[in-house]
Amino acid sequence: DGGITQSPKYLFRKEGQNVTLSCEQNLNHDAMYWYRQDPGQGLRLIYYSQIVNDFQKGDIAEGYSVSREKKESFPLTVTSAQKNPTAFYLCASSILDRADGELFFGEGSRLTVL
Amino acid sequence: AQSVTQLGSHVSVSEGALVLLRCNYSSSVPPYLFWYVQYPNQGLQLLLKYTSAATLVKGINGFEAEFKKSETSFHLTKPSAHMSDAAEYFCAVITRSNDYKLSFGAGTTVTVRA
Repeated sequence: DGGITQSPKYLFRKEGQNVTLSCEQNLNHDAMYWYRQDPGQGLRLIYYSQIVNDFQKGDIAEGYSVSREKKESFPLTVTSAQKNPTAFYLCASSILDRADGELFFGEGSRLTVL
Repeated sequence: AQSVTQLGSHVSVSEGALVLLRCNYSSSVPPYLFWYVQYPNQGLQLLLKYTSAATLVKGINGFEAEFKKSETSFHLTKPSAHMSDAAEYFCAVITRSNDYKLSFGAGTTVTVRA
């Protein structure tokens, strides 16, 4: 079955550590996205990528980094510069330039800073 | 700029009763509108979408929504709630003015009482 796989599902981090969240898709989608979800705030866009080796900052990119070396993969690194990293992180993908904009989401990764 | 406002962060309904979730949007250009559902600790799943065809849109699980331009609304309804409808629901908007990136509302959590 086609879909998006995020790992790990749960992750604990000590303050000052960088952590990387994995996102892999086999839907052959060009566009991939990372969202952060906090209670009562909906989803906020961190980074997105529309093509390999290119990506753009979203609304809350500070303290995060990404790479897009392969079409299927879009890992997110939460750096020590992110002041409040405890959150639920969602990866999504879509067909590029599709105005009806349907996103396909992974199951999410929950990061907790100890 | 585009945005959506979901009225009510929590809605409680009795099993068999009408479910009504409110969403208002602001957009200077014709929008595409979406409702997504999220079950606990999972990703989001598309319920339905409006893309400038019929104003009454039917989705999965018996949900429907009506686009009303005069009221800038896209409210979600289901005639008879089921226990399995307990989840968080997100309204989202997309336009070409925002590079076709989705902008999400804060979400509404639905509780269904037996």
